[in-house]
Amino acid sequence: DGGITQSPKYLFRKEGQNVTLSCEQNLNHDAMYWYRQDPGQGLRLIYYSQIVNDFQKGDIAEGYSVSREKKESFPLTVTSAQKNPTAFYLCASSMESRPVDTQYFGPGTRLTVL
Amino acid sequence: KQEVTQIPAALSVPEGENLVLNCSFTDSAIYNLQWFRQDPGKGLTSLLLIQSSQREQTSGRLNASLDKSSGRSTLYIAASQPGDSATYLCAVKDDYKLSFGAGTTVTVRA
Repeated sequence: DGGITQSPKYLFRKEGQNVTLSCEQNLNHDAMYWYRQDPGQGLRLIYYSQIVNDFQKGDIAEGYSVSREKKESFPLTVTSAQKNPTAFYLCASSMESRPVDTQYFGPGTRLTVL
Repeated sequence: KQEVTQIPAALSVPEGENLVLNCSFTDSAIYNLQWFRQDPGKGLTSLLLIQSSQREQTSGRLNASLDKSSGRSTLYIAASQPGDSATYLCAVKDDYKLSFGAGTTVTVRA
């Protein structure tokens, strides 16, 4: 069964803590993406990676970090520098990052700051 | 910077009525436009993708049109059912990036 998995489904963070969100895909896709969704707003791009060991900042990268050591994995760390991290986080992947490539989305992780 | 707007933000209709959802974008230099469905607390499911050279796409009861020159797309859902209740998002692709609207939340009353 090919697809994208995200874990955990729900995550709670205390002030000052770093947390890491997992994203794994078995679609053999080269490109992976992280989006943030807030109520009443569209999804906003945090980071994207076109290939292993390479990634670029999106529109709202401040307070976040990523790594891409394996093709199938693209974890997102929400650092204490992110002032308002409570949101729904969605991971996506596409075969490549060409304009014609469709992005497929995971089920999401809801992060809440206590 | 690409701006994507969806109107209305919410819509409630009786079962059987046709749905019309609107999406507008500011920069017409797009590669494609995609409509997604999102159920509460879930990820996105792709419904239709229209390439920039196309005028419309159809899948079952769904039909999406694209007028790139005017920066508009419309999603039509025929004979709505309670199972169509969800949030519908449109997104435009320019280069690598998808730019999303905030979505239209649809409720179909039985």
